[in-house]
Amino acid sequence: QSALTQPASVSGSPGQSITISCTGTTNDVGNYNLVSWYQQHPGKAPKLMIYEVNKRPSEISHRFSGSKSGKTASLTISGLQAEDEADYYCCSYAGGSTWVFGGGTKLTVL
Amino acid sequence: QVQLVQSGAEVKKPGSSVKVSCKASGGSFSSYAMSWVRQAPGQGLEWMGGITPIFGSANYAQQFQGRVTITADKSTSTAYMELSSLKSEDTAVYYCARAGGYCSSTSCFDYWGQGTLVSVSS
Repeated sequence: QSALTQPASVSGSPGQSITISCTGTTNDVGNYNLVSWYQQHPGKAPKLMIYEVNKRPSEISHRFSGSKSGKTASLTISGLQAEDEADYYCCSYAGGSTWVFGGGTKLTVL
Repeated sequence: QVQLVQSGAEVKKPGSSVKVSCKASGGSFSSYAMSWVRQAPGQGLEWMGGITPIFGSANYAQQFQGRVTITADKSTSTAYMELSSLKSEDTAVYYCARAGGYCSSTSCFDYWGQGTLVSVSS
């Protein structure tokens, strides 16, 4: 089980949009519509932002959206705000009651 | 509302074992898989393994096979993660996480414990 591939860092100015990619294999991202995204602020537990590729918990801002094409999933954050600055992790179900996370992406709001 | 409360920080010697607990309150403990995820300092999240209490069987990530044991006590709604043959590289924050809200058993993790720091040093 290799970690899903994410860019180490992305940045954007307030109000802009950014997209974080998450590339897996045919054993995980490419085989299941069970990709989720987590936001993590320093010293805090991860927080669910997107589940099942593009579903958003009701308490999560509409500025966050997810998508998937083939073996690559993406998280888009529109209208960047200072409080969006955090680490973001993708995660995919990989069959047999196992999961795999991405390496994480540090988002900097300039 | 589901809450996961983990045991406190541990300091261990190389070669020893550590057992971390995760007590659940609210919701159904037995129906949803409880996973353990670790995060080394400055590093990413790593899924270690999980157990569905109602079935009692655990699944582990390949890199932890043979070194980690995950169990669950339905009577106390508590899951445990024991890691043996500790090395300095096992120094990390260990989280328990599970579904039960928006997440189905295979889709994601709604609920997270507060994390338990395990430090391994001679």
